[in-house]
Amino acid sequence: DGGITQSPKYLFRKEGQNVTLSCEQNLNHDAMYWYRQDPGQGLRLIYYSQIVNDFQKGDIAEGYSVSREKKESFPLTVTSAQKNPTAFYLCASSRTGTGSGELFFGEGSRLTVL
Amino acid sequence: GENVEQHPSTLSVQEGDSAVIKCTYSDSASNYFPWYKQELGKRPQLIIDIRSNVGEKKDQRIAVTLNKTAKHFSLHITETQPEDSAVYFCAASKGRGADGLTFGKGTHLIIQP
Repeated sequence: DGGITQSPKYLFRKEGQNVTLSCEQNLNHDAMYWYRQDPGQGLRLIYYSQIVNDFQKGDIAEGYSVSREKKESFPLTVTSAQKNPTAFYLCASSRTGTGSGELFFGEGSRLTVL
Repeated sequence: GENVEQHPSTLSVQEGDSAVIKCTYSDSASNYFPWYKQELGKRPQLIIDIRSNVGEKKDQRIAVTLNKTAKHFSLHITETQPEDSAVYFCAASKGRGADGLTFGKGTHLIIQP
């Protein structure tokens, strides 16, 4: 089955802890993205990567970090520097990174900071 | 940068009626306008998109119209059904890079039986 897999689906974290969200795709897509979704705020871009070993900051990158060591994988780390980390996080991929192609989303990870 | 405004934030219609969601964008260089549907607890999925070289595109009960002069585009759903209940997001892109897609804040469409 082709698609994007995010894990975990639900995650709880204490303040001051870093947490890493996993995103894996088997679609052979070049580009991968992380979005944050808050109620009434739409989808906001955190980081994106157009090719392996390269990634760029999106609109709300502060307090987050990523890596792209393999084409299939684009993990997101939410660091203790992120002031309001409780949110729903969506990973996505697209065949190319032109911004004019279909995005394929994972099922999301809901992070709650206690 | 690009700014996409989406209205209304909530739309309630009777089953069988039509629904219209409107978006405006600020950057005249934007040339790609997709619409995503997110059902409750599920991932967003592309339902229709339009490029700036056409004014309208249809796919069964859904259609999108684009007015480049006024910089707005709309999603039209006819003969609404219960399965159309979802949050719909519009977006705009200049097609020049992976960071170029800007989303609206979403419209929660409720289909009343």
